[in-house]
Amino acid sequence: SQQGEEDPQALSIQEGENATMNCSYKTSINNLQWYRQNSGRGLVHLILIRSNEREKHSGRLRVTLDTSKKSSSLLITASRAADTASYFCATTRSASGSARQLTFGSGTQLTVLP
Amino acid sequence: EAGVAQSPRYKIIEKRQSVAFWCNPISGHATLYWYQQILGQGPKLLIQFQNNGVVDDSQLPKDRFSAERLKGVDSTLKIQPAKLEDSAVYLCASIPWGGGTDTQYFGPGTRLTVL
Repeated sequence: SQQGEEDPQALSIQEGENATMNCSYKTSINNLQWYRQNSGRGLVHLILIRSNEREKHSGRLRVTLDTSKKSSSLLITASRAADTASYFCATTRSASGSARQLTFGSGTQLTVLP
Repeated sequence: EAGVAQSPRYKIIEKRQSVAFWCNPISGHATLYWYQQILGQGPKLLIQFQNNGVVDDSQLPKDRFSAERLKGVDSTLKIQPAKLEDSAVYLCASIPWGGGTDTQYFGPGTRLTVL
């Protein structure tokens, strides 16, 4: 089963507005990442926030993490039409090997209207 | 640096046929993952390799799916026989040796349609 659940499932905004997506998860995590997926393409990593961090910024992206509520949010400021994509949160849990695994949420489809 | 390569990009087959997907990870990336992404859902891990060994295949439907990474570089994922519910995008991802980072690099995926 998928670890994360994203809210909303779909979001439509005007260019220049801010977009906020939320992610909830069920178990303890090492870190949480956000990925973007353009239609028909693979996933691209956006930002990673560790379990001991509360907020992180990267360009127009702002991610928050509340481990007590098991939730995270992704804010995209001053959105552009090129931001139209699906956004997924992914949590990391330890695996038996040396590399960890990602468990993805169900995604938010963001549409930015010009 | 070249990204993760996958082929074919699209494949249409009839149910009960077999199909194979190929992935070439980023050079030097020892860990390779195969995911299945059904339309409208997030990717689901099928199998994880470390070099040419399997780390985790607990979510791979082994009655019909198989995967190998013989020389620790490129990998193939096979479905035999395919079912309608196997229609999905199959994604390959990789990370450098030893982890140290949880950021995965994804290929463009293979979109499989089973009729």
